[in-house]
Amino acid sequence: DTGVSQDPRHKITKRGQNVTFRCDPISEHNRLYWYRQTLGQGPEFLTYFQNEAQLEKSRLLSDRFSAERPKGSFSTLEIQRTEQGDSAMYLCASSPPFWATNEKLFFGSGTQLSVL
Amino acid sequence: KNEVEQSPQNLTAQEGEFITINCSYSVGISALHWLQQHPGGGIVSLFMLSSGKKKHGRLIATINIQEKHSSLHITASHPRDSAVYICAVGRETSGSRLTFGEGTQLTVNP
Repeated sequence: DTGVSQDPRHKITKRGQNVTFRCDPISEHNRLYWYRQTLGQGPEFLTYFQNEAQLEKSRLLSDRFSAERPKGSFSTLEIQRTEQGDSAMYLCASSPPFWATNEKLFFGSGTQLSVL
Repeated sequence: KNEVEQSPQNLTAQEGEFITINCSYSVGISALHWLQQHPGGGIVSLFMLSSGKKKHGRLIATINIQEKHSSLHITASHPRDSAVYICAVGRETSGSRLTFGEGTQLTVNP
């Protein structure tokens, strides 16, 4: 158990529907990341939060994607008007502050999205 | 050409063999991570290193900054080591995001 929780584990939706995923990082981690992974590929960066501030956002994150971390704790990733190309594993990761001696990333188990 | 390339893509070994997985990158980095991914998606961070060598149990990771190359070694491999091993780099110019290699699928047969 890595300590990073993601919900749901699986989501099946119809094209055009909106979906929202949740990530609860390890409590003392102020940095939170969203990645997307398709079969046979390494994860691709989507966005990064430090506390509640969204500091980086990939150009992969189109206008249909929005992420929030309102209180600097849990984060949500919403996809509006889903498309079949959005089908992927959505991974959340967290890490402690940069001054921590161990800056390893801790990943959640991911949310597998299937858009029909 | 990907910024992070791993070799080999697939590796099959017999239990007990010494295994090496290589990672080459083409950008300036602040740190390099080695990660292990099991079926079903769970990713575990093995090492984060910016220079030299780190060891944890049967795993050893090395990095050569000048040559932009890192290796992950597994000594006395075991079937439970079977997983995808992923190299990821934190680029100097891109803040905290990581750029991932495509992974190396390792299968260790008993």
